[in-house]
Amino acid sequence: GENVEQHPSTLSVQEGDSAVIKCTYSDSASNYFPWYKQELGKGPQLIIDIRSNVGEKKDQRIAVTLNKTAKHFSLHITETQPEDSAVYFCAASRGSNYQLIWGAGTKLIIKP
Amino acid sequence: NAGVTQTPKFQVLKTGQSMTLQCAQDMNHEYMSWYRQDPGMGLRLIHYSVGAGITDQGEVPNGYNVSRSTTEDFPLRLLSAAPSQTSVYFCASSPDYEQETQYFGPGTRLLVL
Repeated sequence: GENVEQHPSTLSVQEGDSAVIKCTYSDSASNYFPWYKQELGKGPQLIIDIRSNVGEKKDQRIAVTLNKTAKHFSLHITETQPEDSAVYFCAASRGSNYQLIWGAGTKLIIKP
Repeated sequence: NAGVTQTPKFQVLKTGQSMTLQCAQDMNHEYMSWYRQDPGMGLRLIHYSVGAGITDQGEVPNGYNVSRSTTEDFPLRLLSAAPSQTSVYFCASSPDYEQETQYFGPGTRLLVL
């Protein structure tokens, strides 16, 4: 069936360094790819999204890239700060009904 | 705006008991959904609604019922709780079902003994 694989499951980086999280999807009809951030004890919150007609999108320190040929997309966070510590989820839309297929999540740890 | 609210925050049930998880939103969103979150599995869609009076099943609907009598409320009912339903449950809403930002509630942590 359709799925989204997300790597790594845990990522530890030094404050100020960059972090990259990668996702691979299987549904060739997927055309919407959001990224959500979940802080401890809270619900996920959208931080950035990209649609299939765009290869890259940037919002301050956060960027997402999409390679439709290879069916993978990535989240890039530059100049990481302590408040970036959280669990990050990628998702891809099902081509058939717009529902989202979610990755398993990446726990990002920013070391001071 | 309060956004999406969920009650209770935490609940312990015995196997076989029933209960209702409440969800409400004050943003006049048409689309609402229920997810469960389990370690290492991301979010899985249980049921969703594209408007008042309309509901449909997600990928893991067994053991759960929903109804949508108003735009604001979307309760999730566990008919006969099982240990496999131990999870964190999130309600979400969005202006439309098609590729819109989903706004999540704070979650309900459920433990079934």
